[in-house]
Amino acid sequence: EAGVAQSPRYKIIEKRQSVAFWCNPISGHATLYWYQQILGQGPKLLIQFQNNGVVDDSQLPKDRFSAERLKGVDSTLKIQPAKLEDSAVYLCASSSTRATGTQYFGPGTRLTVL
Amino acid sequence: DQQVKQNSPSLSVQEGRISILNCDYTNSMFDYFLWYKKYPAEGPTFLISISSIKDKNEDGRFTVFLNKSAKHLSLHIVPSQPGDSAVYFCAASAGYGGSQGNLIFGKGTKLSVKP
Repeated sequence: EAGVAQSPRYKIIEKRQSVAFWCNPISGHATLYWYQQILGQGPKLLIQFQNNGVVDDSQLPKDRFSAERLKGVDSTLKIQPAKLEDSAVYLCASSSTRATGTQYFGPGTRLTVL
Repeated sequence: DQQVKQNSPSLSVQEGRISILNCDYTNSMFDYFLWYKKYPAEGPTFLISISSIKDKNEDGRFTVFLNKSAKHLSLHIVPSQPGDSAVYFCAASAGYGGSQGNLIFGKGTKLSVKP
């Protein structure tokens, strides 16, 4: 079974530029999550999708971050414009249901904002 | 306010000995707990979990103990192997079997197992 795929693996941008990350969850997983992991911290949830609907985006900085999951499969996370403090690893995870709590993570995208 | 705390940033253990990683939580609504292992440049990998109706769950060399009254859980690895060297994250969620599922992570503990 293929795992969660993410691209790109690394991205370096200047502040105020925009960037987008892509995630393809495990086949059949209805729930998809985006996390931000700042160096030295644990992952922090940004947004959760159930199929193509947003379930929780309470911690997403909506003035600059946006995410979508068209057709309930792939998802993209966008930052526009980026700030220095957005430098982090962005992790995508998926689970078969919301209830089990066992989430499977992709390798992440390491973003550096200069 | 950190709801899940891993107070030891690092732990060093000799190969073959027991590794004990600790985690404390503050939210009494948490009812499902997980441990993830993370190697550099990879995403976290699910290791083992426990629901609040149990106080112990075992999977091979890995055992998780839950003490609800103390709001404390621990991960035991016996025997420890050099390949276990990684960062271990404790995570918790509220509403297992219900409508939540959001995970709250600790900051992680870096385990080094020396040959």
